[in-house]
Amino acid sequence: AQTVTQSQPEMSVQEAETVTLSCTYDTSESDYYLFWYKQPPSRQMILVIRQEAYKQQNATENRFSVNFQKAAKSFSLKISDSQLGDAAMYFCAYEGASGTYKYIFGTGTRLKVLA
Amino acid sequence: SQTIHQWPATLVQPVGSPLSLECTVEGTSNPNLYWYRQAAGRGLQLLFYSVGIGQISSEVPQNLSASRPQDRQFILSSKKLLLSDSGFYLCAWSKGHGGELFFGEGSRLTVL
Repeated sequence: AQTVTQSQPEMSVQEAETVTLSCTYDTSESDYYLFWYKQPPSRQMILVIRQEAYKQQNATENRFSVNFQKAAKSFSLKISDSQLGDAAMYFCAYEGASGTYKYIFGTGTRLKVLA
Repeated sequence: SQTIHQWPATLVQPVGSPLSLECTVEGTSNPNLYWYRQAAGRGLQLLFYSVGIGQISSEVPQNLSASRPQDRQFILSSKKLLLSDSGFYLCAWSKGHGGELFFGEGSRLTVL
């Protein structure tokens, strides 16, 4: 079975600085999708970024980028120029490209942004 | 545009009482539907998912059940709630593999 691990329960970053959130996963599938979701205090889940495993290039969305290491099964999220509005829970998620349509989530990392 | 709604937003129920959480999706057809539970330190736990009417896959054996009576309606139920059923429940939908998972606003359940 696929698993997703986020080993950092909580992280802090100074406003305008850069922070990296870690995520590792375990799978026997060769093709899959990886996601980072943000859950602000409102608790509404928002997609931050998405990566297709067959693509070598790391996905980027404005200040958000990922470091996807397929061999190491690692998928970290880098937030540049951190803003107060980035404070939230961040969840890493996995979905296989075939078979079931299950999205498997990690336990989350709470990010605090310090002014 | 597509929207997803779930209700009620907040629910306080005594142990042993029944439960019904409802979720509806608008603006799309034949979505994949999901129920997740969020508890502190455990992230989002997948409870049920459905790829079509009447098709329910259960991920966690427990006293909860799910039904999909219509294409865009997903219901989470229990006949008798336990204290351990307390949590934040999220409904979500997606289309196909690799698609974005769209979440509802969530339902906070407190079992006393």
